[in-house]
Amino acid sequence: EVQLVESGGGLVQPGGSLRLSCAASGFNFDNYAMSWVRQAPGKGLQWVSAFSGRGGSAFYPDSVKGRFTISRDNSKSTLSLQMNSLRAEDTAVYYCAKGTGSATYHAFEIWGQGTVVTVSS
Amino acid sequence: EIVLTQSPDFQSVTPKEKVTITCRASQSIGSSLHWYQQKPDQSPKLLIKYASQSISGVPSRFSGSGSGTDFTLTISSLEAEDAATYYCHQSSGLPLTFGGGTKVEIK
Repeated sequence: EVQLVESGGGLVQPGGSLRLSCAASGFNFDNYAMSWVRQAPGKGLQWVSAFSGRGGSAFYPDSVKGRFTISRDNSKSTLSLQMNSLRAEDTAVYYCAKGTGSATYHAFEIWGQGTVVTVSS
Repeated sequence: EIVLTQSPDFQSVTPKEKVTITCRASQSIGSSLHWYQQKPDQSPKLLIKYASQSISGVPSRFSGSGSGTDFTLTISSLEAEDAATYYCHQSSGLPLTFGGGTKVEIK
């Protein structure tokens, strides 16, 4: 069974840092693009970052570029998101999502259960 | 950035009725448009990929159509379990973007 399990969420002060992790199982992790997608309370979905498969690259929207860093450890089938300089508007449920292929330009076919990040003083 | 505009924002529908949700892209995206269903307190679930490709395990009452800038998600006969918010998503260009969502309520 394909499964994604996120962890690492919590309460952090503005300007602080947090590292999220996503443990993947049930598929050949190396071969697939992986993304982080967030959802602020009562709001819609927003793509946060992606790392393409097969030794590819990382991509970010302008809203997090320079503050967030996505990485992947293919030997451990783990995806991570290092979040620095956090702002109140980063408060959201963060989902890990598996792409349907190795390139970033794919649908998200499997989603984790999400981990909650709250940025507040 | 490719902006996706969904309509309507909200729909209240009687069971067995047909539901149509539209998603319009701000520029042509070919068939790189996907649909998700999100029920309250759950993660999103992929319903349709690449505008019209079905997903294993998704009921056949869900279908998608369109290309270029105009896309449609159709639920042929609404069931009570279909109460959810539906999102479109484009993977044609970065940043990847989502529509604002359409909430479907059962009357």
